[in-house]
Amino acid sequence: DAGVTQSPTHLIKTRGQQVTLRCSPKSGHDTVSWYQQALGQGPQFIFQYYEEEERQRGNFPDRFSGHQFPNYSSELNVNALLLGDSALYLCASSLRDRDYNEQFFGPGTRLTVL
Amino acid sequence: GNSVTQMEGPVTLSEEAFLTINCTYTATGYPSLFWYVQYPGEGLQLLLKATKADDKGSNKGFEATYRKETTSFHLEKGSVQVSDSAVYFCALTKRTGNQFYFGTGTSLTVIP
Repeated sequence: DAGVTQSPTHLIKTRGQQVTLRCSPKSGHDTVSWYQQALGQGPQFIFQYYEEEERQRGNFPDRFSGHQFPNYSSELNVNALLLGDSALYLCASSLRDRDYNEQFFGPGTRLTVL
Repeated sequence: GNSVTQMEGPVTLSEEAFLTINCTYTATGYPSLFWYVQYPGEGLQLLLKATKADDKGSNKGFEATYRKETTSFHLEKGSVQVSDSAVYFCALTKRTGNQFYFGTGTSLTVIP
């Protein structure tokens, strides 16, 4: 049973560019959440997708957008990249109707903005 | 609001020493509490969880008890190994939502 997978593993961009990160959830999961983990910090919630709609959003600007596909996989898009967007981006999947909504995390995509 | 506060690291211990990493939380309602571990270059792995007051989560020799009266969920292990070297994150989620709130992490290094 494959866990959560993310691509690419690493990415280098320059300021002002746009980037798309991809996530495939654990088999049987229908909800995908994205987190940003800056160096030395805990993950910060960006947003969550369920039934192809954004359901919750953290305190991130609208340069951060996403999408969920019918097969539950998801993309995170970041426009007009800033140096401060350099971080590890984590995708987590879960099953919506579970009581405590345990989340399973992928290995992350390391984004470096130069 | 919801938040988690962890003891600051880094923490360095000798093999077989006793480990405690403190975690306190602020939340409305009745959150579920988690400890995640992150090994170098990897994502987060669930270590243990507790979903209601007085529950004790345990896994791989690690334990944590959900204390509502002190709003705490301290992580303990009686005898650490070199392989336990990692960053440990305390987290909470509300029962009615999926968003996780993480602490800033505590780096643990165990030396032989």
